Amino acid sequence: GAGVSQTPSNKVTEKGKYVELRCDPISGHTALYWYRQSLGQGPEFLIYFQGTGAADDSGLPNDRFFAVRPEGSVSTLKIQRTERGDSAVYLCASSLGRNSEAFFGQGTRLTVV
Amino acid sequence: GESVGLHLPTLSVQEGDNSIINCAYSNSASDYFIWYKQESGKGPQFIIDIRSNMDKRQGQRVTVLLNKTVKHLSLQIAATQPGDSAVYFCEVGDMRFGAGTRLTVKP
Repeated sequence: GAGVSQTPSNKVTEKGKYVELRCDPISGHTALYWYRQSLGQGPEFLIYFQGTGAADDSGLPNDRFFAVRPEGSVSTLKIQRTERGDSAVYLCASSLGRNSEAFFGQGTRLTVV
Repeated sequence: GESVGLHLPTLSVQEGDNSIINCAYSNSASDYFIWYKQESGKGPQFIIDIRSNMDKRQGQRVTVLLNKTVKHLSLQIAATQPGDSAVYFCEVGDMRFGAGTRLTVKP
């Protein structure tokens, strides 16, 4: 597809389980961003990749959260030992680089029960 | 860290009126600014951008104004339509977002 694709669109998991959220950026976009958005709030920055490396991971809330982008394209956000407070919409965006328009996916709605 | 804030968390306008959404930023080194629109259940969508060497840029029904002296950014929407109802975010070049302004258009 032409846009940013995120899978799954919805994920329900039990507290304590491990989840992986996938992001397929627009082809050729070297910059990739992950955000978490709770109802009524703006997107909360988690991590920024430039190519394969995490250029800025200062937004990851704790060591249960980890993200990879091994080939500089698809990225996976991994959450260990999920907690109910992790429930949110996780958004991914990609762009040609810093200081350029970012394109967002539709998000993955994560619900931890 | 940088502060990105909005003067009004909510804005309600009559269909056909003009809307103005404001944004203050704190980093004087910022040189690229974007407005995004987020409709319910969707990811943010680019509306318009402006670089620091400009103070005004116009798109289709939208205008962005940049005042670097007071570190203020505004988005003007002309002849606001019901489809403009959404949350609007300004982003000042570091991909951080504030709380946004919710625009509601009354028919």
